[in-house]
Amino acid sequence: AQSVTQPDIHITVSEGASLELRCNYSYGATPYLFWYVQSPGQGLQLLLKYFSGDTLVQGIKGFEAEFKRSQSSFNLRKPSVHWSDAAEYFCAVGTTGGGNKLTFGTGTQLKVEL
Amino acid sequence: KAGVTQTPRYLIKTRGQQVTLSCSPISGHRSVSWYQQTPGQGLQFLFEYFSETQRNKGNFPGRFSGRQFSNSRSEMNVSTLELGDSALYLCASSPAVRAETQYFGPGTRLLVL
Repeated sequence: AQSVTQPDIHITVSEGASLELRCNYSYGATPYLFWYVQSPGQGLQLLLKYFSGDTLVQGIKGFEAEFKRSQSSFNLRKPSVHWSDAAEYFCAVGTTGGGNKLTFGTGTQLKVEL
Repeated sequence: KAGVTQTPRYLIKTRGQQVTLSCSPISGHRSVSWYQQTPGQGLQFLFEYFSETQRNKGNFPGRFSGRQFSNSRSEMNVSTLELGDSALYLCASSPAVRAETQYFGPGTRLLVL
């Protein structure tokens, strides 16, 4: 069965500092990987996705993520965090065998200090 | 294009009642998935519908059911509500049946008293 681990429950960074959110997955084949962001009381917004090809993917709001098969990781990065980035971030793996089913990590709550 | 819409946005029910939540996908999307989000269990997959057929189902009791109409709109129903069913229920739509990017609605927050 597929699974996703986000080891950091809470992360606090200063505005302007760089950010890296960790994500490790378990899946038997090449996974489809996603990062979503959720602001309080809102639904999930897609930041970026990896299906195949270039292992460094660019997303919205200046985010990027790198797929590393050898480490089963898909870490999210941003070079300079803005106060508006404060939110909860979810990594997810999707099935490649048919159907739309996402398995989510437990999320990382990001706090940005001004 | 309009995004995924969910109604109602907020709902309060009492134990033992049943509830129906509605989801309208993005125009042209034929796949609708439902997720439950709670502080304790996080985001969990409930089920997915494509062309009015249930394609995938998560590990939830039979009290949770759903359906999809010919216009791709979907409903989920929870019967005999329990306190633990209090959650944010998220609907997501995507254009195809294979793994695809899912676009989420704002959710319906259900409180069971």
